[in-house]
Amino acid sequence: QGQVVESGGGVVQPGRSLRLSCAASGFTFSSYAMHWVRQAPGKGLEWLAIISYDGGDKHYADSVKGRFTISRDNSKNTVSLQMNNLRPDDTALYYCVRGAFEHTTSIDAFSVWGQGTVVAVSS
Amino acid sequence: DIVMTQSPHSLAVSLGERATINCKASQSVFYNSRNKDFLAWYQQKPGQPPKLLIYWASTRESGVPDRFAGSGSGTDFTLTISSLQAEDVATYYCQQYLNTPLTFGGGTKLEIK
Repeated sequence: QGQVVESGGGVVQPGRSLRLSCAASGFTFSSYAMHWVRQAPGKGLEWLAIISYDGGDKHYADSVKGRFTISRDNSKNTVSLQMNNLRPDDTALYYCVRGAFEHTTSIDAFSVWGQGTVVAVSS
Repeated sequence: DIVMTQSPHSLAVSLGERATINCKASQSVFYNSRNKDFLAWYQQKPGQPPKLLIYWASTRESGVPDRFAGSGSGTDFTLTISSLQAEDVATYYCQQYLNTPLTFGGGTKLEIK
């Protein structure tokens, strides 16, 4: 199954930027799409972004489109989420997630979850 | 966007009894050319990340006990726990993966009666 480990969370002021990273191991990273999913305190799950197995396709939720950018480095087994112009409603636990199906570009369930990294946006 | 609506919001069931959670999609998540429903179920215990239980509406993920069963097609789906165990206390989410944005239901919190 493998595992993923997120890092980079923290407290940031509104309008500032933050970059989350995710290190993957125990599976063939370059065969799977990777996602970011977040969960606001006491709330449900919100999918944010997917990057295809080869990095060629990316899709975003409307709530983050134009502000967040997902990227991956298949040589280092890492995926990142660059978050710009952060808002208080971006405060959440951010999960890095491996997709369930090999070689997909958008159609995907969520198979391997990290423990998450907390992002708090506050002045 | 495909909106996923779960019911009930919360549920209390006695140990050993059946628990049923419903999920309704605002449009069909059945894909004709693949003959599959693009629907997954997750379990999230307090303080833990979600865990994939079922995909393709009814296929159990490896290691998931067979008391968990997914059913339904098109727009209406059900997660059934045939005999509730104490360790099944959790919040359950459905998710469609037919189209982006990939969307979740609001969750159903399952407790012991």
